[in-house]
Amino acid sequence: KAGVTQTPRYLIKTRGQQVTLSCSPISGHRSVSWYQQTPGQGLQFLFEYFSETQRNKGNFPGRFSGRQFSNSRSEMNVSTLELGDSALYLCASSLTGGVRGTTTLNTFGSGTRLTVV
Amino acid sequence: DQQVKQNSPSLSVQEGRISILNCDYTNSMFDYFLWYKKYPAEGPTFLISISSIKDKNEDGRFTVFLNKSAKHLSLHIVPSQPGDSAVYFCAASTWNQGGKLIFGQGTELSVKP
Repeated sequence: KAGVTQTPRYLIKTRGQQVTLSCSPISGHRSVSWYQQTPGQGLQFLFEYFSETQRNKGNFPGRFSGRQFSNSRSEMNVSTLELGDSALYLCASSLTGGVRGTTTLNTFGSGTRLTVV
Repeated sequence: DQQVKQNSPSLSVQEGRISILNCDYTNSMFDYFLWYKKYPAEGPTFLISISSIKDKNEDGRFTVFLNKSAKHLSLHIVPSQPGDSAVYFCAASTWNQGGKLIFGQGTELSVKP
């Protein structure tokens, strides 16, 4: 059973550019969540999608956006990149979303390492 | 506003001994807590969870304790093994926040042979 796939694994962008990251969940999983991991802030919740609808959103500026497609694959976009956006971006999928019970447990991908220069 | 805190960035333990990782939270609305383990270059993997209606949950070598009055939880690993060396994150959620997890900053555990 394939795990959560995030592409690309590594990315270098220049300040002011925009970037799109992709996440393919485990087959059958309908919920996808995104997290940003930085050394100073740990893992911070970005957003959660279920059946193409955003169910939850963290405290990030509007430059951070996401979407989910009908096949449950998800993308997140960061516009007008800043140096502080350099981070590991993690995607997690689960059957039904939420965090309680066996159908909701998140499986994380290995992440996309974004470096903004 | 760090609602979930892991005050020890690192912990070193001898193989075979007990590892105790601590986590404090400030939001009394949290009612479900999880521990994740993360190796370098990999995503976090789920270890164990506990609901706020319980004060203890065990799974093999891993036990999580919850002290609601102190807003404190801990993960005990007994006995510790070198393969347990990783970064451990505690996370918390509220019933009405769906899949949103609030993570601590992590504790790097090193188990020495």
